[in-house]
Amino acid sequence: QSVLTQPPSVSEAPRQRVTISCSGSSSNIGSNSVHWYQHLPGKAPKLVMFYDDVLSSGVSDRFSGSKSGTSASLAIRGLQSEDEADYYCAAWDDTLNGWVFGGGTKLTVL
Amino acid sequence: QFHVQESGPGLVKPSETLSLLCTVSGAPMNTVGYYWAWIRQSPGRGLEWIGSIHYTETTYYKSALESRVTISMDTSKNSFSLKLTSVTAADAATYYCATMASRDLGFDPWGQGILVSVSS
Repeated sequence: QSVLTQPPSVSEAPRQRVTISCSGSSSNIGSNSVHWYQHLPGKAPKLVMFYDDVLSSGVSDRFSGSKSGTSASLAIRGLQSEDEADYYCAAWDDTLNGWVFGGGTKLTVL
Repeated sequence: QFHVQESGPGLVKPSETLSLLCTVSGAPMNTVGYYWAWIRQSPGRGLEWIGSIHYTETTYYKSALESRVTISMDTSKNSFSLKLTSVTAADAATYYCATMASRDLGFDPWGQGILVSVSS
């Protein structure tokens, strides 16, 4: 059971827009920055978003992030097959005194 | 820009200690503000933060693992290590090391990961 809650999977057609949600609490998302990672099988996870909504260097501007209260979202517009991956949110948790990850969301581009 | 790379045995026996090393290149790892982390992914599961060490050598551990985990750094070798005692099959995973310039900036970069199996 992950501290941050993500949908296990999402799917959408190419060139469409998809949103991945991440729900937490006041001790993590509600009071600290959210990061998003893209993880392809057999590869190192890649930071795509930090500070809730800041695009990491080299990441396509088709990616965007947002946060409201204790929830955050990662949106990808103009979906491409190369976006198929697992996506994880993460944040520092003041109560646990450590980083917590979401359970991950598998994005399928139909 | 830092580069990090994991190394260590790919097989550990149950009840023994898992020991991994993360070698850092590109800059001194005692650069002000930086955190150095171990994160793992068990088969079919998500990413799990194990613990981190700050450049001040302050350590932070996941509470469920705290009794078995030690993370330490060796600035003379520009590396940091993970020791996990009394391993069981549940500790079989791909282990990643990563760095973070500050809590707000995310883990970046990550190593390629090292697969560790637990079996007698």
